[in-house]
Amino acid sequence: GAGVSQSPRYKVAKRGQDVALRCDPISGHVSLFWYQQALGQGPEFLTYFQNEAQLDKSGLPSDRFFAERPEGSVSTLKIQRTQQEDSAVYLCASSLGLGSNQPQHFGDGTRLSIL
Amino acid sequence: AQKVTQAQTEISVVEKEDVTLDCVYETRDTTYYLFWYKQPPSGELVFLIRRNSFDEQNEISGRYSWNFQKSTSSFNFTITASQVVDSAVYFCALSEEAGTALIFGKGTTLSVSS
Repeated sequence: GAGVSQSPRYKVAKRGQDVALRCDPISGHVSLFWYQQALGQGPEFLTYFQNEAQLDKSGLPSDRFFAERPEGSVSTLKIQRTQQEDSAVYLCASSLGLGSNQPQHFGDGTRLSIL
Repeated sequence: AQKVTQAQTEISVVEKEDVTLDCVYETRDTTYYLFWYKQPPSGELVFLIRRNSFDEQNEISGRYSWNFQKSTSSFNFTITASQVVDSAVYFCALSEEAGTALIFGKGTTLSVSS
C-alpha cells in the first residue's frame, strides 16, 4: 500500500519478554518517528530518524527501549525485558522532508499488551 | 516549554449541529507549526491541516474550518453540519522550527449521533 505500514497490529507478551515492532514508512520519506500512545492520551514522542541516522532519542523512557533503521527505510522498535507500564499503542510516522514542519503520516499502530 | 491544551475531553452532538474543538498552545519560539489530526476507532492518525505561525489566515475545507489567533495562542477547529462519520478523537499538535517531535494535546473525543 501507499501508507505507513506497521506490524504486528497486536502483540501480547509476558512481562520480562523482549518484543520487536516493525514500521515500513512511505517510500521515499526521509524522516521516521516513533510515538507511544497510552490509553486516553495523546501520542508522546519516542525517537526520530533522518534516513538511517537516529537524530533524537530523547523520548525513549529507558535503556530497555531501542530503535534502529539500518538502511534508511524500515525501522524496528525493540523493547527488552518488558514491563506492564510498556502496554500502549506504538505509532510510527514518516514525513517527506527534514524536520518537523512537514506533515507526518501515521500508521495504524501496534497495540502492545504486557501481561 | 511547549504545551498543547485541549480542555474539552468529550463532546456529544446530534447530526447537523456545528461543533468547535478548542486548542490552546504554549511555545517560546516565533516560528512554529500547528496541526490537527483525526483518530477514528481504527486507530490511524489522519492528517487534517498544518498552519505555520506566520500565516494567521483562517482556512476552510468543505465542512471543516480552522481559526488561528496568535493573540490568544489558539487554533480552534470547527465542523459545520456534523455527521456520524465525524465521530473520532481529534488531536491538536505543535512542532517548533528547531525540533523534530510533534507535541500533542490529550485529544477531544467527538461523538455525533443520528
